Amino acid sequence: DIQMTQSPSTLSASIGDRVTITCRASQSISSWLAWYQQKPGKAPKVLIYMASTLQSGVPSRFSGSGSGTEFTLTISSLQPDDFATYYCQHYNRYSETFGQGTKVEIK
Amino acid sequence: EVQLVESGGGLVQPGGSLRVSCAASGFSVSNNYMSWVRQAPGKGLEGVSVMYSGGTIHYADSVKGRFIISRDNSKNTLHLQMNSLRAEDTAVYYCATNPSAGYWGQGTLVTVSS
Repeated sequence: DIQMTQSPSTLSASIGDRVTITCRASQSISSWLAWYQQKPGKAPKVLIYMASTLQSGVPSRFSGSGSGTEFTLTISSLQPDDFATYYCQHYNRYSETFGQGTKVEIK
Repeated sequence: EVQLVESGGGLVQPGGSLRVSCAASGFSVSNNYMSWVRQAPGKGLEGVSVMYSGGTIHYADSVKGRFIISRDNSKNTLHLQMNSLRAEDTAVYYCATNPSAGYWGQGTLVTVSS
């Protein structure tokens, strides 16, 4: 199975900071990548799919880029509501694998 | 409005069986990619099983041979039959759609313990 590796595991940042999270695949996955935000006790929420397509209703400060094996999620200006855990996910007809998560904390 | 509502979680002994279900409204289970994702207490997300609209099925290695995904088109419901349960299967089980649709249920807790 394809392995997904996220970095960093934890990130401390301040309101207004630009934040970048990286996800690497163990082999090429084209653009079959999604990004999720999860808050404690809640189901994950899709932010980005197909590597760079913003899900409906998601603020434009979130953006995704990359293809092949390296992907990034960027938050252009961190807001109080953005402190959460973020996961990347590879998905296609043959497999579905999540990264281990990145917790974004208040600095 | 699209809703996914999981049910069937609970406490089960190691080696036992349990079936969790996901009732969909406003969204067709039969015409879409549907998956089960679990999250053990304090841990990350783990994809458990996926069923595609054409019937292709995928299982994580950790559940292969023990879990069975199925759907009841007449009831627009997705099921996960879990057999030979182990302590490490303890988790909240979510059903979810293709990321492009972006819908998740609220989850149902399965606890495997004696």
